[in-house]
Amino acid sequence: DAGVTQSPTHLIKTRGQQVTLRCSPKSGHDTVSWYQQALGQGPQFIFQYYEEEERQRGNFPDRFSGHQFPNYSSELNVNALLLGDSALYLCASSLRTTGDEKLFFGSGTQLSVL
Amino acid sequence: GENVEQHPSTLSVQEGDSAVIKCTYSDSASNYFPWYKQELGKRPQLIIDIRSNVGEKKDQRIAVTLNKTAKHFSLHITETQPEDSAVYFCAAIPFRTNAGKSTFGDGTTLTVKP
Repeated sequence: DAGVTQSPTHLIKTRGQQVTLRCSPKSGHDTVSWYQQALGQGPQFIFQYYEEEERQRGNFPDRFSGHQFPNYSSELNVNALLLGDSALYLCASSLRTTGDEKLFFGSGTQLSVL
Repeated sequence: GENVEQHPSTLSVQEGDSAVIKCTYSDSASNYFPWYKQELGKRPQLIIDIRSNVGEKKDQRIAVTLNKTAKHFSLHITETQPEDSAVYFCAAIPFRTNAGKSTFGDGTTLTVKP
C-alpha cells in the first residue's frame, strides 16, 4: 500500500521563477491538502483539493495555485517566487467521502529560492 | 480564523519521566484535534487524535485530553524513551463545517535524555 509520495524531494529556484510540485495521495484517498512549513514552525495550510476543485484556502496569495487530476494526484504551482517562499512543502491526503479526517503526510519538497 | 498556541516550545526530560505538551485553540467550530510526531528530515506522522465528543483517549504510553470549555487539549507521554525525541505538533480542525482547513501549532521539540 503506497503512502503519500511527493516529487521532487529538493528544488532550487531563483527569485521570479515559477515552480511546480507534485503529490500522489495514499491509495484509496480522494482529497489532497498542501502545507508550507517554514523552519522551526508548524505546517501552514495553503489549500485543499477534492473532486478536482479547490475546496478550502488558507491565507496565501494567488501566486499559489493548484490542480487535482482525475486520478486524485495534485500539483502545487507557485509563480513569481520570493525569497520568503523557501520552505518545506508538504502534501497530505485524506478520504473525504467517508468522513475520515485523518491526514497522511508525504515527505515533502524542500524548496530553496535564491 | 483559528489560532493554535502550543507550549512549551522545547521540553527536555529524563528517560522514564512523563512529558506533557499543551495546546489552546480559539475557534469553537474546531472539532478534531490530531497530534503529529516529526523526526528530523521525516514526514509528520499521526500518533493520536481526539474528537470533540470525547474527553480523553489513550494508546499505550500516549494519551490526549480535551477540555472543550477551556478550548485546550494536551498530549501526555508516559515512560518516555530516547526514541520519543522529536518535534510534536498539535492541530485543530473544524471538520465537516470547514473540512480540511487545519491549523497547526508551532511545535514542541522533545528531548529524552538516556
